[in-house]
Amino acid sequence: NAGVMQNPRHLVRRRGQEARLRCSPMKGHSHVYWYRQLPEEGLKFMVYLQKENIIDESGMPKERFSAEFPKEGPSILRIQQVVRGDSAAYFCASSGISGGSYNEQFFGPGTRLTVL
Amino acid sequence: AQSVTQLDSHVSVSEGTPVLLRCNYSSSYSPSLFWYVQHPNKGLQLLLKYTSAATLVKGINGFEAEFKKSETSFHLTKPSAHMSDAAEYFCVVGRDTDKLIFGTGTRLQVFP
Repeated sequence: NAGVMQNPRHLVRRRGQEARLRCSPMKGHSHVYWYRQLPEEGLKFMVYLQKENIIDESGMPKERFSAEFPKEGPSILRIQQVVRGDSAAYFCASSGISGGSYNEQFFGPGTRLTVL
Repeated sequence: AQSVTQLDSHVSVSEGTPVLLRCNYSSSYSPSLFWYVQHPNKGLQLLLKYTSAATLVKGINGFEAEFKKSETSFHLTKPSAHMSDAAEYFCVVGRDTDKLIFGTGTRLQVFP
């Protein structure tokens, strides 16, 4: 059973370009979460999605960032017009269907974005 | 509102000696608490979790943590450190399938 997959693992962009980060959840998981880790910091929640729905985007910057989890295919985190401050590791996690008890979030290996 | 505070940014121990990584939490309701480990340039791995069952939680690789409500603490311990334990450790609070709130991390160094 493959784990959470993220690609690319490393992404280099110049200021003003767009970055697209992909996340394929574990088989059978319908919940996806995106977190950002700035250098020397802990992870910060960005957005929580289920298939075709954004459930909680309280951690997303108001501009330039968007996320989707279509019915088919991976979840995409999109950053438009990147700036140097967007350089970070972006982690995706997935979990199974909630049954009233906690469902562990399984993390992918992350995408390390570098903005030149 | 929920939050976690990791009291030490760095901890250094000698191989074979005990490990203690400290974490205090704040939560307005019964929390779920976790410890994750992150090895360099790798993803995160769940070490253990507390979800209102037994207060002493045993995890992988010999780690355990004790939930102490009176002290609002959830410290991570291991009786004997191994070189392979060197990593970043995160104390995390969360609830059901909601967002996780991470502490700032404790970097564990293990010397031979």
